[in-house]
Amino acid sequence: NAGVTQTPKFRILKIGQSMTLQCTQDMNHNYMYWYRQDPGMGLKLIYYSVGAGITDKGEVPNGYNVSRSTTEDFPLRLELAAPSQTSVYFCASRGLAGELFFGEGSRLTVL
Amino acid sequence: RKEVEQDPGPFNVPEGATVAFNCTYSNSASQSFFWYRQDCRKEPKLLMSVYSSGNEDGRFTAQLNRASQYISLLIRDSKLSDSATYLCVWGPGTYKYIFGTGTRLKVLA
Repeated sequence: NAGVTQTPKFRILKIGQSMTLQCTQDMNHNYMYWYRQDPGMGLKLIYYSVGAGITDKGEVPNGYNVSRSTTEDFPLRLELAAPSQTSVYFCASRGLAGELFFGEGSRLTVL
Repeated sequence: RKEVEQDPGPFNVPEGATVAFNCTYSNSASQSFFWYRQDCRKEPKLLMSVYSSGNEDGRFTAQLNRASQYISLLIRDSKLSDSATYLCVWGPGTYKYIFGTGTRLKVLA
C-alpha cells in the first residue's frame, strides 16, 4: 500500500548544484503537485500536473522544473541550487473526492 | 488579508478537554474544505473533509459556515496523541488548494 513515494528523504546541496526529487504514486491519480513548506509557513505550490504530458506553474516556480511522462511519476528538478531553496518538499496526488495524499517529504538544505 | 487564516496557537489543553479551532477564508466562491493533521517534521495527512451540513468522525466534528466564511474543527475528549498541527485547506477551484499555516495543539497529561 505504497501511495505517494518520494526520494530522497534528505539531501544537502552546495550552491549551484542541481538535483532531481523523485515522486511516484501508485493510485492512478491524474492530478499531482509539488509543494514546499518553510518553517512556520503554509505549503506553497511549485508546480502541478493534471495528467501525463501536462504541467503548469504554481505560486513559486522559479528555480524549478518538472516533467510528467507517465501517470505515476512527477519528478521535480532543481537547477543551480540557492540557499533560498532550503525547505521541505512534498509531493502529493489528488483523489477522486478532492483529497490530497502526500509523500513523506524531502528535506533539502543548500549550503 | 490572507486567503486562509488560522490562529497559530499553541492551544495547550489537558487530556479529556474539548478544543475548537476556526479557520476563515476570504472568498465566497468556495468549493471544498479539508482539515489535515501534520505531526512535527512529517507530511500532512487528511483528517476529514468538511461538508456543508457538518460532519462527524468519532471525536472530531467539522462545521462549515458559508455566511461568515469560516470552518471549524472540534475535538472532544482530547488525547495525548492528538498533539499536532492542524491545517485548514481550502479548495476553491479545480486544481488549486490554499493551505493555512496551521494551528498547533498540545494535549497535556
